[in-house]
Amino acid sequence: DTAVSQTPKYLVTQMGNDKSIKCEQNLGHDTMYWYKQDSKKFLKIMFSYNNKELIINETVPNRFSPKSPDKAHLNLHINSLELGDSAVYFCASSGTGGRNTGELFFGEGSRLTVL
Amino acid sequence: GEDVEQSLFLSVREGDSSVINCTYTDSSSTYLYWYKQEPGAGLQLLTYIFSNMDMKQDQRLTVLLNKKDKHLSLRIADTQTGDSAIYFCAAWGSNYQLIWGAGTKLIIKP
Repeated sequence: DTAVSQTPKYLVTQMGNDKSIKCEQNLGHDTMYWYKQDSKKFLKIMFSYNNKELIINETVPNRFSPKSPDKAHLNLHINSLELGDSAVYFCASSGTGGRNTGELFFGEGSRLTVL
Repeated sequence: GEDVEQSLFLSVREGDSSVINCTYTDSSSTYLYWYKQEPGAGLQLLTYIFSNMDMKQDQRLTVLLNKKDKHLSLRIADTQTGDSAIYFCAAWGSNYQLIWGAGTKLIIKP
C-alpha cells in the first residue's frame, strides 16, 4: 500500500538512449511533481501536473517529456540521454483544500546513471 | 528571486541537541516545512509550522519561526544515531512553487 511508487528504482544506460520512469500515487491527490536531485543533494523542480494539466515547466531540456494519463500517474520520458542527466529523480504528490497542509509525499526515487 | 538558505553540514555528539537553521528571503507561505531524507530514500515531512505561530513542539522536535528576521530553525533534542540524515527547509513561493533549501547533512559523532 505504498503511497507514491516509482519504477524502476535503478536505471543504468548508455548515452543517447531513451528511457522512461513511471510514477503512481494512491493518495487521491490532484497534483504530482517530478524533481531532480543531483550529486550534491540539491533538489530542482522539473514539472508539476494538476489534474492532468501541466502547471509548472521549469527550464529543463525538451528531451524530458512528462506524460500524465490520469491524475494518479505521472511518467517521465527522457530522450537522447546525456551524462549530465545522471541523478536521482523523485516523483511526489500533494493534495489541496480542507485541512491540507501542502505536504508533499515523495516516492523512493529512481537513480539514473548514464554511461 | 525567492530563496531559502541553510548551511550544508552540522556535526553533533550523540545525546546533544542539534539546531539546524534556515533563512528565507520572501515568503507568503502559510506553512513552512522541515523534511528529512535518510540515505537512499525519498524525502519525508518531519514537521511543519503555521506561519502565524512562533514555536511548535513535537516530542524531541522544536521549530522556531522568527518572521521579522525570516528565520526558521529546527531543534532536535537528545540527538540519536537514527537522526543522521539530510534536513531540508522549504516554503511555498508566490508562484505556488515550493522553494527548497540546499539541505543540511546532520552528522552524529559517538
